[in-house]
Amino acid sequence: NAGVMQNPRHLVRRRGQEARLRCSPMKGHSHVYWYRQLPEEGLKFMVYLQKENIIDESGMPKERFSAEFPKEGPSILRIQQVVRGDSAAYFCASSPRQGTYYGYTFGSGTRLTVV
Amino acid sequence: LAKTTQPISMDSYEGQEVNITCSHNNIATNDYITWYQQFPSQGPRFIIQGYKTKVTNEVASLFIPADRKSSTLSLPRVSLSDTAVYYCLVGDILTGGGNKLTFGTGTQLKVEL
Repeated sequence: NAGVMQNPRHLVRRRGQEARLRCSPMKGHSHVYWYRQLPEEGLKFMVYLQKENIIDESGMPKERFSAEFPKEGPSILRIQQVVRGDSAAYFCASSPRQGTYYGYTFGSGTRLTVV
Repeated sequence: LAKTTQPISMDSYEGQEVNITCSHNNIATNDYITWYQQFPSQGPRFIIQGYKTKVTNEVASLFIPADRKSSTLSLPRVSLSDTAVYYCLVGDILTGGGNKLTFGTGTQLKVEL
């Protein structure tokens, strides 16, 4: 019973390139959440998605960032034209239903380094 | 969302009981209290959640006084492997507001021999 799978674990991009981060939720989970963690800080909510729908993107930067969760396949967090300030750990979590009564299950994260 | 305050760091020794207290003076009626643990280079892991009084599972206990303005995570007989950052979160989990987990900077627990 695999947990939340994120890949790649580490990603290096040059300034101006695109970064694509993938998240496969736990089996049976149709709710996906993306969080970003800057060094020495707590996690910050970015976006909440269900299959084919963005439910809440209030934490997403207005430009360059987008997320999707297609009917088939993993959820994708896409960062266009990356800048040094995008360097962070990006975590994905999933849950079987709305709300967090039993807590979210987080993946191990993707560490993005922009050089 | 209720703001939480917890110590930045704590030190302990193997075999001791560790209590981490979190203050949440503005907790709302529908808010639950949730604790997560995070090891370096890993995502947070759910530990325990409660609304009032006491909750216990195989990992920890959570004590919540009647006024719910604070809560205490209790880790019995810690080991080196309990060295991690512990986050206290407060939010409405039943009406969808809990979708946005709000993590503070957490408490860095260091356990030594």
